[in-house]
Amino acid sequence: DAGVTQSPTHLIKTRGQQVTLRCSPKSGHDTVSWYQQALGQGPQFIFQYYEEEERQRGNFPDRFSGHQFPNYSSELNVNALLLGDSALYLCASSDKSGGKRDTQYFGPGTRLTVL
Amino acid sequence: GEDVEQSLFLSVREGDSSVINCTYTDSSSTYLYWYKQEPGAGLQLLTYIFSNMDMKQDQRLTVLLNKKDKHLSLRIADTQTGDSAIYFCAESIDQMDTGRRALTFGSGTRLQVQP
Repeated sequence: DAGVTQSPTHLIKTRGQQVTLRCSPKSGHDTVSWYQQALGQGPQFIFQYYEEEERQRGNFPDRFSGHQFPNYSSELNVNALLLGDSALYLCASSDKSGGKRDTQYFGPGTRLTVL
Repeated sequence: GEDVEQSLFLSVREGDSSVINCTYTDSSSTYLYWYKQEPGAGLQLLTYIFSNMDMKQDQRLTVLLNKKDKHLSLRIADTQTGDSAIYFCAESIDQMDTGRRALTFGSGTRLQVQP
């Protein structure tokens, strides 16, 4: 059973550019959440998708947007990149089996460097 | 508001027990989690505890929850060098309208196990 997968592994961009990161959830999961982890910090929640809609959003600007596809995979887009966007971007998937418990399982992350 | 705090660093000798502590502020947290992150990797779910429980044991791991003090701890028995990593405490709050959760993480505790 494949776990959560993310691509690419690493990415280098320059300020002002745009980037798209991709995530495939664990088999059987329908919910994808995205987190940003700056160096030396804990992950910060960006947003969450299920049923192809953004359901919750953390304290991130509109430059961060996303999408979920019918097969539950998801993309994170960041426009007008800033140096401060350099971080590890983590995707987590979960489902709503057994009631409201929806433990989140994380992928290996995409390391984004903005120069 | 949501805030999770952890001590930054813990050093133990191989074979000893490790205790990693965490405090949280949101009394409406329903689940509390422990994740492990090795260098350059994503987050691995170790264990979780529901807020109506006081203790949960899973092999070498014991989680203790003190709801009154909003204090969570993770005890690792017989700590091994392979346990060296960063450990994150995370809380989730039940979103009544969606039934889905976002996680709020602490900054992580770096565990160093000395041979």
